[in-house]
Amino acid sequence: AQSVAQPEDQVNVAEGNPLTVKCTYSVSGNPYLFWYVQYPNRGLQFLLKYITGDNLVKGSYGFEAEFNKSQTSFHLKKPSALVSDSALYFCARKGSSNTGKLIFGQGTTLQVKP
Amino acid sequence: GAGVSQSPRYKVAKRGQDVALRCDPISGHVSLFWYQQALGQGPEFLTYFQNEAQLDKSGLPSDRFFAERPEGSVSTLKIQRTQQEDSAVYLCASSLGGRAGRWGNIQYFGAGTRLSVL
Repeated sequence: AQSVAQPEDQVNVAEGNPLTVKCTYSVSGNPYLFWYVQYPNRGLQFLLKYITGDNLVKGSYGFEAEFNKSQTSFHLKKPSALVSDSALYFCARKGSSNTGKLIFGQGTTLQVKP
Repeated sequence: GAGVSQSPRYKVAKRGQDVALRCDPISGHVSLFWYQQALGQGPEFLTYFQNEAQLDKSGLPSDRFFAERPEGSVSTLKIQRTQQEDSAVYLCASSLGGRAGRWGNIQYFGAGTRLSVL
């Protein structure tokens, strides 16, 4: 079955430092991968996606992610973290059905400390 | 509206009650998804509509869950005889959809309805 794993429940980083939130995916077909962010009491907001093409994908708010086929990973990165980046981050992939439904990881809480 | 709208934002139900959750997608979006998000977990797929057609309901956990989108816009998720395990945030998402490029279409999420069953 297709799946997505986020190995870290929480990531702590100091403001101004680079951040990485990890995501790995199961090997099955061509992965269509997404990152979403969720702020408290709000819906998920799209950050970026990988469909095909360049392995480095740039998204909203200065975030980027690198697709690595050999390591089956799609880690989210940002060169310089902001306190306002503190939120819950979800990695997702398109499911195997013919509908475009998303399969999500369990989420990683990012805490950026001043 | 500018985004996906869900109502109510919060719903408290006594066990055994029926509830109805509403989703108003972005105007013109063909595809509509419902997800269930348990506390501390990622969203899990429930069902999918393309216009008014329910093409995938494989994620609905039991026959107590029913969804409809009769005119291809607003959708309602109904849960009959609610149980405590139904307590969760129910998220609705819409995307531009269409067969071409569907896989890469971005899903836009509403703020969700938090259902608490007592």
